[in-house]
Amino acid sequence: GESVGLHLPTLSVQEGDNSIINCAYSNSASDYFIWYKQESGKGPQFIIDIRSNMDKRQGQRVTVLLNKTVKHLSLQISATQPGDSAVYFCAESKETSGSRLTFGEGTQLTVNP
Amino acid sequence: DSGVTQTPKHLITATGQRVTLRCSPRSGDLSVYWYQQSLDQGLQFLIPYYNGEERAKGNILERFSAQQFPDLHSELNLSSLELGDSALYFCASSVDFRSGGETQYFGPGTRLLVL
Repeated sequence: GESVGLHLPTLSVQEGDNSIINCAYSNSASDYFIWYKQESGKGPQFIIDIRSNMDKRQGQRVTVLLNKTVKHLSLQISATQPGDSAVYFCAESKETSGSRLTFGEGTQLTVNP
Repeated sequence: DSGVTQTPKHLITATGQRVTLRCSPRSGDLSVYWYQQSLDQGLQFLIPYYNGEERAKGNILERFSAQQFPDLHSELNLSSLELGDSALYFCASSVDFRSGGETQYFGPGTRLLVL
């Protein structure tokens, strides 16, 4: 029968390479952005967040870049490891919606050893 | 481990039935949020609570309801279940409920299968 489901964008990288996962958001009023990692069968795991008064924020092996002009968010993972293989979601929130998060479709990252 | 707990892990039931999903937030968190993740819809926001009070609803159906108790745990009630309600249901918690976003920490989810 026909399968129904989201067709996730995919990114395949070699272990040790840097990965860049992109996200386009639609609401110019969004002022808080967050990246989550979701492994199969588990809940989304917080990676890093950024507010709209910043354009870059760094964490351990991860960097988030925010370009408000073109409504674009990216997650950079340095020295990608097999354990980084997962689906990565960006989410946005705007002041008038309280703490409601609106999630993007996700990107499947596969790290090849 | 995020510190958010959800029970049960799996639930199998029949159409027309009613189920209750339970969530305990991280210690110290006052806000709880419910999300549904299905294959064709992705992660959808359902409903938020702050310190026992319901806040602005998301895409929650009228057949679904939730509440947050004085001890801050929350329950999501799903009734008159349909096949399309089969999904993963996640609870998330945050310290506060602030306009402009709060870091939300997710639980492991409850997988619901409606037969």
